Amino acid sequence: DTAVSQTPKYLVTQMGNDKSIKCEQNLGHDTMYWYKQDSKKFLKIMFSYNNKELIINETVPNRFSPKSPDKAHLNLHINSLELGDSAVYFCASSTGHGELFFGEGSRLTVL
Amino acid sequence: SQKIEQNSEALNIQEGKTATLTCNYTNYSPAYLQWYRQDPGRGPVFLLLIRENEKEKRKERLKVTFDTTLKQSLFHITASQPADSATYLCAPYRGRTGANNLFFGTGTRLTVIP
Repeated sequence: DTAVSQTPKYLVTQMGNDKSIKCEQNLGHDTMYWYKQDSKKFLKIMFSYNNKELIINETVPNRFSPKSPDKAHLNLHINSLELGDSAVYFCASSTGHGELFFGEGSRLTVL
Repeated sequence: SQKIEQNSEALNIQEGKTATLTCNYTNYSPAYLQWYRQDPGRGPVFLLLIRENEKEKRKERLKVTFDTTLKQSLFHITASQPADSATYLCAPYRGRTGANNLFFGTGTRLTVIP
């Protein structure tokens, strides 16, 4: 059973569209995250959720919105996609004080 | 703002030798530091965690040191193997209450040459 799973794995879309990436974890962790990895492979934190509460939000455009229907899910919605949004997006979870468990990533390409 | 630098973007090493990767951080004091491995097309995988009061941590062929005075961590892979080829990321963690933020370094791509 996959610990952290995210879908879709690949997403190709046009500029201006709205898209979502889903993430689910079956580890019982309290905290979930979204990271963005750009073409230079730099891994940057976007959001984290702890018990359905957003606890950090780095300098991310408000076109990006995390939504957590329950503790096991943290979805990422992106409105009005731009070329610069092309990247690999990773979902992760943790107990909040230890190691992160990452999903396999969702590669978003905006044309 | 905090800054995390890993000494080189790429490191090539001969099989059997010891690989040493460096992680330097500035402008904050992490409570502990983590190292991750990332293979192409995959998510990062946790390797080791070292706390600020620990000087050294070992796990099989891996060894991590943590010098809070120098604001530096060293990551060693002894008897390196081609299967160790990957990108290695360091992540100093501040551990602030209510701010479970884990920031990653730029990564070092290690290639072990047979």
